[in-house]
Amino acid sequence: GDKVKQSPSALSLQEGTNSALRCNFSIAATTVQWFLQNPRGSLINLFYLVPGTKENGRLKSAFDSKESYSTLHIRDAQLEDSGTYFCAADEGTGSNRLTFGKGTKFSLIP
Amino acid sequence: NAGVIQTPRHKVTGKGQEATLWCEPISGHSAVFWYRQTIVQGLEFLTYFRNQAPIDDSGMPKERFSAQMPNQSHSTLKIQSTQPQDSAVYLCASSPSSAETLYFGSGTRLTVL
Repeated sequence: GDKVKQSPSALSLQEGTNSALRCNFSIAATTVQWFLQNPRGSLINLFYLVPGTKENGRLKSAFDSKESYSTLHIRDAQLEDSGTYFCAADEGTGSNRLTFGKGTKFSLIP
Repeated sequence: NAGVIQTPRHKVTGKGQEATLWCEPISGHSAVFWYRQTIVQGLEFLTYFRNQAPIDDSGMPKERFSAQMPNQSHSTLKIQSTQPQDSAVYLCASSPSSAETLYFGSGTRLTVL
């Protein structure tokens, strides 16, 4: 099975709504990173996490290493949030040799 | 800061030809990574360097693929005798150390006919 399982695989929401994305890990992750791949294909780093939470503007992310999951919350979604969100985890190496999930395709309905 | 620079953006090769992909990491970053993205397999780790030394190439296909980092300002990924299944977007990334925020380049889309 997938070492990093992301859900949902796709999400279509209206502007201004809130959403939550999740990653479950079957590997002993020590760090997690979240990326947004925008419609042009660029991968933008959103968060680098050790166990705990971080917040940046309308985005908030948490990583629980004991329960092996991470979440990304998007508040008041805007059109520029569209794209595919990926989570990625190390396998206990503590390095950027990362295993990626298959992504959540996020679409905004104007 | 120009970010991670990859060239070319697109490359088309015939089956059996060689392809060399170039990456210039962010200045001052000691760790450089290569990943590959396809529709079927998603994002996959290939190899990485720390302070120009190869650290882990466990994701590299054993035949035909090689990577080098001759100096701190560039790395190359070479694919010999390209095959259609090598078609993918090849992504280079760098980070200040091996375990900090990872910054990706825009990728090289390789198409093998």
